[in-house]
Amino acid sequence: EVQLVESGGGLVQPGGSLRLSCAASGFSVSDNYMSWVRQAPGKGLEWVSIIYNSGTTYYADSVTGRFTISRDNFKNTIYLQMNSLRAEDTAVYYCARVAGSGCYGAWGQGTLVTVSS
Amino acid sequence: DIQMTQSPSTLSASVGDRVTITCRASQNINRWLAWYQQKPGKAPKLLIYKASSLESGVPSRFSGSGSGTEFTLTISSLQPDDFATYYCQQSNSYSTFGQGTKVEIK
Repeated sequence: EVQLVESGGGLVQPGGSLRLSCAASGFSVSDNYMSWVRQAPGKGLEWVSIIYNSGTTYYADSVTGRFTISRDNFKNTIYLQMNSLRAEDTAVYYCARVAGSGCYGAWGQGTLVTVSS
Repeated sequence: DIQMTQSPSTLSASVGDRVTITCRASQNINRWLAWYQQKPGKAPKLLIYKASSLESGVPSRFSGSGSGTEFTLTISSLQPDDFATYYCQQSNSYSTFGQGTKVEIK
């Protein structure tokens, strides 16, 4: 069974850092494209970042230069390192497996990041 | 960047109604369009991919159509479990979501 479990969210001050983790089971993250998608409270979904099976990464303009996506093949886990956090980064962060058509067929339960002083 | 615009933002309907949600892309995305259902406090659930392919396990009352820049999600007979928010997503160039359509009880 495919499962994604996020962790690492919490309360952080503006300008601070946080690292989110997404532990996968039932498949290998190294063989798949994996993404992070976020949802601010009461708002819609926003794509944040993607890592290809090749290791190539891409980011939304809103997080470029501040966020870094990575993976650990041995732990079958992907990460999102978030630096220079802003109030507008407050959101539930979901990791998702990207299917061949570019859609998200599997999602984690999400982890809440709150940026506030 | 490709922008996705959904309409309406909110839709009031009754059980048994036929419901249609529209999603427009700011440029041609061929058929790289997916639809999701999201309920409060839950992760989105994939319903339709490649504009019209039904995800395994999704009831057949859900259907998708369109190509290029205009797409629709149709629920043929609205059921109590279908009251939720629906999002479209393009994957032609990176990824962008529509702003969502909330389907509420009339």
